[in-house]
Amino acid sequence: DTGVSQDPRHKITKRGQNVTFRCDPISEHNRLYWYRQTLGQGPEFLTYFQNEAQLEKSRLLSDRFSAERPKGSFSTLEIQRTEQGDSAMYLCASSVTALNTEAFFGQGTRLTVV
Amino acid sequence: GENVEQHPSTLSVQEGDSAVIKCTYSDSASNYFPWYKQELGKRPQLIIDIRSNVGEKKDQRIAVTLNKTAKHFSLHITETQPEDSAVYFCAAGGKSATNKLIFGTGTLLAVQP
Repeated sequence: DTGVSQDPRHKITKRGQNVTFRCDPISEHNRLYWYRQTLGQGPEFLTYFQNEAQLEKSRLLSDRFSAERPKGSFSTLEIQRTEQGDSAMYLCASSVTALNTEAFFGQGTRLTVV
Repeated sequence: GENVEQHPSTLSVQEGDSAVIKCTYSDSASNYFPWYKQELGKRPQLIIDIRSNVGEKKDQRIAVTLNKTAKHFSLHITETQPEDSAVYFCAAGGKSATNKLIFGTGTLLAVQP
């Protein structure tokens, strides 16, 4: 286990199409986060899972976005009916259960909507 | 709402000089303050963090200071090297059970050889 992995690394899609990204966290990490990062900005929180339970969603997460973590291991983030404004880097992070501990980030999936 | 302001947005220093990046957070309930370094095209990586029960933490050439009263925290890099060139993000978290992080907008540090 070499860290948080995300797939794909890059995705180009046409406006209106659906896309799905996958995140595999570090195996013993119960906490999993999705963030979105646009050019020149810091990561913005999207959603959080504790094991398989989705416990918090940002207001940034419109109803076109859905995330799952069905078995408390890997997670998927789906965007339906993509818009150009969805173009960004989608980052996944994981951490152990204890509060105030390091969040380990994946390398991200760069989405370009054309 | 929750907000973290970060300054400067760009910083250019000569190799061997010191660099200081400053952040201000809005939510007084925040109690965890990590700093991440992100090289071009790579993942953010934690370089140092501080919790609200301490005022300063040092790790070799890197130090972080925290003033909870003023809601300020700063990153100090001494004896900068070209490999320190990257974007640095501060963040604030720990106020809720999710431990989500609110990030600053980043500082592009360029160390000139």
